[in-house]
Amino acid sequence: KNEVEQSPQNLTAQEGEFITINCSYSVGISALHWLQQHPGGGIVSLFMLSSGKKKHGRLIATINIQEKHSSLHITASHPRDSAVYICASMAIQGAQKLVFGQGTRLTINP
Amino acid sequence: DAGVTQSPTHLIKTRGQHVTLRCSPISGHKSVSWYQQVLGQGPQFIFQYYEKEERGRGNFPDRFSARQFPNYSSELNVNALLLGDSALYLCASSLGPEGVSPLHFGNGTRLTVT
Repeated sequence: KNEVEQSPQNLTAQEGEFITINCSYSVGISALHWLQQHPGGGIVSLFMLSSGKKKHGRLIATINIQEKHSSLHITASHPRDSAVYICASMAIQGAQKLVFGQGTRLTINP
Repeated sequence: DAGVTQSPTHLIKTRGQHVTLRCSPISGHKSVSWYQQVLGQGPQFIFQYYEKEERGRGNFPDRFSARQFPNYSSELNVNALLLGDSALYLCASSLGPEGVSPLHFGNGTRLTVT
């Protein structure tokens, strides 16, 4: 069964700090998604990756296939980065459906 | 280009009623997926449709059904509403099958069952 765990559940930091959010999954996957959800519900896709590392602006996503682990990093964090960050995985075998983590609520204080 | 659009944005229904939620994907996208997000939790997969065929179904009762039309828009239907069906219902579209193509989400329909 494909299970996804995120840590921490809540994270509060000061503006400018380096942020790391972790995601672990339990089965072999074909893709791992990082999503951002702001209050009100809208979800934005940040990254989709199956190996290595991707970078977009101040955001970096990495994945270690052998360890079944992915991280989302935010450099020079800003209050506008405050949101819920969600990872989701698609298993290689079995039911073709995305399985989501419970989300990490990030608050960046000025 | 228009993004993924969902309607209505908010809906209040009574237990036992039926509801239909609608989703229009980004032009050119052939895959539509539906998710339920209860307050404080991550989304849960309900259905995926690709090229008008059901490609995946989550662990939801038969009261939940969906379909995809020739123009790739989609409807999610929920019968015999329960209080526990109150949630944000999200639709996402992608070029290819769900999960292996970048996803584009709509803003969701917030359903309240009283």
